[in-house]
Amino acid sequence: QQQVKQSPQSLIVQKGGIPIINCAYENTAFDYFPWYQQFPGKGPALLIAIRPDVSEKKEGRFTISFNKSAKQFSLHIMDSQPGDSATYFCAAISGSARQLTFGSGTQLTVLP
Amino acid sequence: DADVTQTPRNRITKTGKRIMLECSQTKGHDRMYWYRQDPGLGLRLIYYSFDVKDINKGEISDGYSVSRQAQAKFSLSLESAIPNQTALYFCATSDPTGSDSYNEQFFGPGTRLTVL
Repeated sequence: QQQVKQSPQSLIVQKGGIPIINCAYENTAFDYFPWYQQFPGKGPALLIAIRPDVSEKKEGRFTISFNKSAKQFSLHIMDSQPGDSATYFCAAISGSARQLTFGSGTQLTVLP
Repeated sequence: DADVTQTPRNRITKTGKRIMLECSQTKGHDRMYWYRQDPGLGLRLIYYSFDVKDINKGEISDGYSVSRQAQAKFSLSLESAIPNQTALYFCATSDPTGSDSYNEQFFGPGTRLTVL
């Protein structure tokens, strides 16, 4: 049973488009929501993270939108570039151990 | 991340063989983790260690064991490999003394394991 559900599984956009990746969770014990970016042949790396008391967070071209009542959050990439082509994982953190629970991943392709 | 290294990077083995994957880090972090990545399933936690004497099972520990030889080294073993353990394996580290509460994890480059 996946605690963090992520969609879509894959996404193709043209350069300059705004891909949106969505995640949903059930466990209200989750208290922090990071996104990780993974390039082929590499390990994931932290991209951006948000606390549930904030509705939006921007870092450069990357924005997280968070809807606590709906238990959903999403990643938007403004003015997407071919270099953004990667797999994106949403995640959620809970407990004193600060364990990460990952979504299933979205493979993003940005066409030139 | 060059601060977290994994060996080997690729391994092909046969069913029933014992195999060890190794992870070393120079980040000075106390916490280390082993994940496996499967298409459509994301990353799932196998084991984690908060220090040399503290090792904990993750979501999918059956069929795996670990050893924390030192603060900087954390090994994952498959005692008797089976084909459904074919996956991409990642080691990660984190620093619990950091001020952020999102426990940023730093991943190695991964080991691609194929069990025939």
